[in-house]
Amino acid sequence: AQSVAQPEDQVNVAEGNPLTVKCTYSVSGNPYLFWYVQYPNRGLQFLLKYITGDNLVKGSYGFEAEFNKSQTSFHLKKPSALVSDSALYFCAVRRTGGFKTIFGAGTRLFVKA
Amino acid sequence: EAQVTQNPRYLITVTGKKLTVTCSQNMNHEYMSWYRQDPGLGLRQIYYSMNVEVTDKGDVPEGYKVSRKEKRNFPLILESPSPNQTSLYFCASSYGGQFSKGNTGELFFGEGSRLTVL
Repeated sequence: AQSVAQPEDQVNVAEGNPLTVKCTYSVSGNPYLFWYVQYPNRGLQFLLKYITGDNLVKGSYGFEAEFNKSQTSFHLKKPSALVSDSALYFCAVRRTGGFKTIFGAGTRLFVKA
Repeated sequence: EAQVTQNPRYLITVTGKKLTVTCSQNMNHEYMSWYRQDPGLGLRQIYYSMNVEVTDKGDVPEGYKVSRKEKRNFPLILESPSPNQTSLYFCASSYGGQFSKGNTGELFFGEGSRLTVL
């Protein structure tokens, strides 16, 4: 069975500092991994994905994520946080050849000025 | 503009009064899905559709129905709503088939429909 774990309900970081939002997954076969962001009163927006190839993927708004197959992790990172990055972040996994996308419970990022 | 449109965005109703939440996408996507979002639980899939006339249950289908008569539309029907269906609902769509340059597998979401059942 597929599952996604986001171990932190909330991450607090000061503006200008690096941020990491953690995600681990469980899926049979090779995974497709995604990060989405949700701003207040909005739908989810796609940030970045890992399909295959380079383990470090870059996405929108300066975010990047590192795929680690041995640790089954896909942590979201940004070198320098902005107050405007404050939002709810979801990690998601999709099994190769499948269409069902499983989401983690979400991590709220709070960036303090 | 590529988009997924849900209506209504907000709805307060009473137990047992049938309601429909509409979802329409203009990207010619094969795959469409409904999720509900509840605090601490993330997004849970209710129903999904691989194409016209092809639908299947997700993880929490009880109390819901769907139909896919046209490729662009995927309405969510609550035949007899109950208070435990109070939630934030999202419709999403994506291309089907194998990943390619034009199909990278991400979901496109509507803005959400906040439903309260009294």
